[in-house]
Amino acid sequence: GAGVSQSPSNKVTEKGKDVELRCDPISGHTALYWYRQSLGQGLEFLIYFQGNSAPDKSGLPSDRFSAERTGGSVSTLTIQRTQQEDSAVYLCASSSSGTSAVAGELFFGEGSRLTVL
Amino acid sequence: GNSVTQMEGPVTLSEEAFLTINCTYTATGYPSLFWYVQYPGEGLQLLLKATKADDKGSNKGFEATYRKETTSFHLEKGSVQVSDSAVYFCALISGSARQLTFGSGTQLTVLP
Repeated sequence: GAGVSQSPSNKVTEKGKDVELRCDPISGHTALYWYRQSLGQGLEFLIYFQGNSAPDKSGLPSDRFSAERTGGSVSTLTIQRTQQEDSAVYLCASSSSGTSAVAGELFFGEGSRLTVL
Repeated sequence: GNSVTQMEGPVTLSEEAFLTINCTYTATGYPSLFWYVQYPGEGLQLLLKATKADDKGSNKGFEATYRKETTSFHLEKGSVQVSDSAVYFCALISGSARQLTFGSGTQLTVLP
């Protein structure tokens, strides 16, 4: 597609359930990022994929969070045993270059709003 | 580590008013600085950027100047429009980091 596509746009789940959030980046973009946007807070970095390199998982808040990127394209963020504090908007972004310090131009999807009851 | 501090919102202005949204940063090395904007119902998009000291980024009537001496990158616009209503995020990337560090965002509402 023309832009970054995320699904679902909204997800309501019960505490303790697992959820999967999907991101389809812009075709040809080698870098893919996941961020979390909580109410009243900035964007919190979660994980970064660049080509075939090992992902940078340094932002994942706990071992309940994991992500994979298959075939260098689509990515799935999985949250196991969800907690109420996981409620947030999860944003995916892609970039044509993730290795330049001046790249900085990320293309964001509209996000997946997760509500944990 | 890297961090970005933004002026807290929300900010409400009348159309044609002057806008300033303050942004200061802490970074290792020499960062590149960015302003992103999130319009209602849309994803974040890059508004402008500056990659070295004294550079001025500009777009859509918005400007920001990279001030190394004050570690600031304040966003300004001389005459805002209702269509500028959005959330504005200041961000940086620095050193060996591969991800942007964002501020907390400032909600701007422009009234007709």
